[in-house]
Amino acid sequence: AQSVTQPDIHITVSEGASLELRCNYSYGATPYLFWYVQSPGQGLQLLLKYFSGDTLVQGIKGFEAEFKRSQSSFNLRKPSVHWSDAAEYFCAVLNAGNNRKLIWGLGTSLAVNP
Amino acid sequence: EAQVTQNPRYLITVTGKKLTVTCSQNMNHEYMSWYRQDPGLGLRQIYYSMNVEVTDKGDVPEGYKVSRKEKRNFPLILESPSPNQTSLYFCASSLSRGSYNSPLHFGNGTRLTVT
Repeated sequence: AQSVTQPDIHITVSEGASLELRCNYSYGATPYLFWYVQSPGQGLQLLLKYFSGDTLVQGIKGFEAEFKRSQSSFNLRKPSVHWSDAAEYFCAVLNAGNNRKLIWGLGTSLAVNP
Repeated sequence: EAQVTQNPRYLITVTGKKLTVTCSQNMNHEYMSWYRQDPGLGLRQIYYSMNVEVTDKGDVPEGYKVSRKEKRNFPLILESPSPNQTSLYFCASSLSRGSYNSPLHFGNGTRLTVT
């Protein structure tokens, strides 16, 4: 069965430090992959997505993610974190079969120290 | 502005008192969905709708009802709420289900407390 694992439940970084949030997926075919962000008191917003092409994809708010097929990973990165990046981050994989269901990770909560 | 609007944002109610959470989108999306978000459990899909008059169960449909009489609206109904339905609820929409090119748009959430 398809699944998404975000190994880190909580991460704390200092403002200005680099960030990497991990996402591992289990999916038989080429995956459609997404990262969403949930800022406090708000709904989820798409950060970036990947299906094919360049394995390093750029998203909004200065985020990027790298697809590594050999590691079944799609880690989210940002070179320099801002206090406003404090949020919950969700990785998801799309089941591109008949039911086209989004499979969600449990999320990683990011705290940013000043 | 393209948006998904949920109301109310906060709701406190008592066990057994029927309630409805409204959801409306202005993007002419065919697909709409309800999720609940609980600590340690992430997002779980309650119900979804592929189009008007077409609804289907998600992963955790027990205790909930939905209807899709118009394309823009997708209310979530709790006929007899119980404390285990205390949660943060999100409505979302997209052009079609599982569309790579049409990501989900989410409302800002409804925090429900059932005492």
